Amino acid sequence: NAGVTQTPKFQVLKTGQSMTLQCAQDMNHNSMYWYRQDPGMGLRLIYYSASEGTTDKGEVPNGYNVSRLNKREFSLRLESAAPSQTSVYFCASQPGTENYGYTFGSGTRLTVV
Amino acid sequence: TQLLEQSPQFLSIQEGENLTVYCNSSSVFSSLQWYRQEPGEGPVLLVTVVTGGEVKKLKRLTFQFGDARKDSSLHITAAQPGDTGLYLCAGELVYGNKLVFGAGTILRVKS
Repeated sequence: NAGVTQTPKFQVLKTGQSMTLQCAQDMNHNSMYWYRQDPGMGLRLIYYSASEGTTDKGEVPNGYNVSRLNKREFSLRLESAAPSQTSVYFCASQPGTENYGYTFGSGTRLTVV
Repeated sequence: TQLLEQSPQFLSIQEGENLTVYCNSSSVFSSLQWYRQEPGEGPVLLVTVVTGGEVKKLKRLTFQFGDARKDSSLHITAAQPGDTGLYLCAGELVYGNKLVFGAGTILRVKS
């Protein structure tokens, strides 16, 4: 009953460093998403992948890149981390059917110093 | 400016009281979803409402979708300490297969 698994759970980066956040789902879902959560702002969509082989920008894509490696895995990369990217990052998946709820991972808490 | 305005931002009430959380927008959504999130965890889906005017009940929680599919409400009857958490509304855009979230309501129920 793993659902959506995110790694790592915590990370501290120095400004300018790069890293990749990993996400995998075992529910055979078609669509996957990356959100960031900041106090008082809810969740904001960074990138999404409606199906394997496709990716699209969300509301706040600047400073990030994504890769839909296969149907199960969707990674988020920060090429040159900035303090403004300090946040909690959530990966989510959904079957790809309209009006179906999302399943979220437990998040990665990232601090950029 | 958030596409979905959620109110109130914070709510601190005594056990046994009733409360309502509102989610409003000028946009039409194909569905409106409510999630609950606990510290250190991801949001967990509570309910999805799809049809304008739809009402769904989940034990002491009642969810309503506005007739025009632009707004929704969550009503909790006789709140309990276990209801404490962050409640998020999220609307699925008519075109695009993606959710937009409100800023959330932090609910604290004191015993």
